Amino acid sequence: DTGVSQDPRHKITKRGQNVTFRCDPISEHNRLYWYRQTLGQGPEFLTYFQNEAQLEKSRLLSDRFSAERPKGSFSTLEIQRTEQGDSAMYLCASSPGLVGSNEQFFGPGTRLTVL
Amino acid sequence: AQSVSQHNHHVILSEAASLELGCNYSYGGTVNLFWYVQYPGQHLQLLLKYFSGDPLVKGIKGFEAEFIKSKFSFNLRKPSVQWSDTAEYFCAVTPNSGGYQKVTFGIGTKLQVIP
Repeated sequence: DTGVSQDPRHKITKRGQNVTFRCDPISEHNRLYWYRQTLGQGPEFLTYFQNEAQLEKSRLLSDRFSAERPKGSFSTLEIQRTEQGDSAMYLCASSPGLVGSNEQFFGPGTRLTVL
Repeated sequence: AQSVSQHNHHVILSEAASLELGCNYSYGGTVNLFWYVQYPGQHLQLLLKYFSGDPLVKGIKGFEAEFIKSKFSFNLRKPSVQWSDTAEYFCAVTPNSGGYQKVTFGIGTKLQVIP
């Protein structure tokens, strides 16, 4: 399978714990995106990488959230001191970064439940 | 900043009925438009996209959408739905102004097709 992969698929944690999610984009896609999706809503943009550079962050991304893409390939999203409001599906997407093409390919998501 | 409005949050149709899902966007310049679909238990996948040219766009599985610039609309249509079309449908927009631009999603429409 050469699509976008995410790990883990499900994560249950207690409030106050730190969690880290991983995303492996389609190889050679230089753009990578993180979204959050809650019940009854569409995906909400969190952050965007072009290669290893984080070029945009949403105001939704509080200082408890940090994302990295150290070698321009896989990315991690860490949430520190989780809160119940962080419970959501976290989606990763990638795109080839071609001029005029913003088509994004999505992974299966990581569902986070904070107890 | 751009925004997307999907009018119908939950649609129930019988098989063979015709489908039209409304989508309106708000943005002052040229845009790229997308419809994504999420089948039960699966991840988001692209149904069709409009970048430029013919405003009537045909996608996979018999879906089509028409971009009406004067109405800021990009409604999704299918002449005869099947039970397998049961899914959640998301309209999305991004400015078409070169380079990277953030994709904004609508709230989604859940379609239930009754056999």
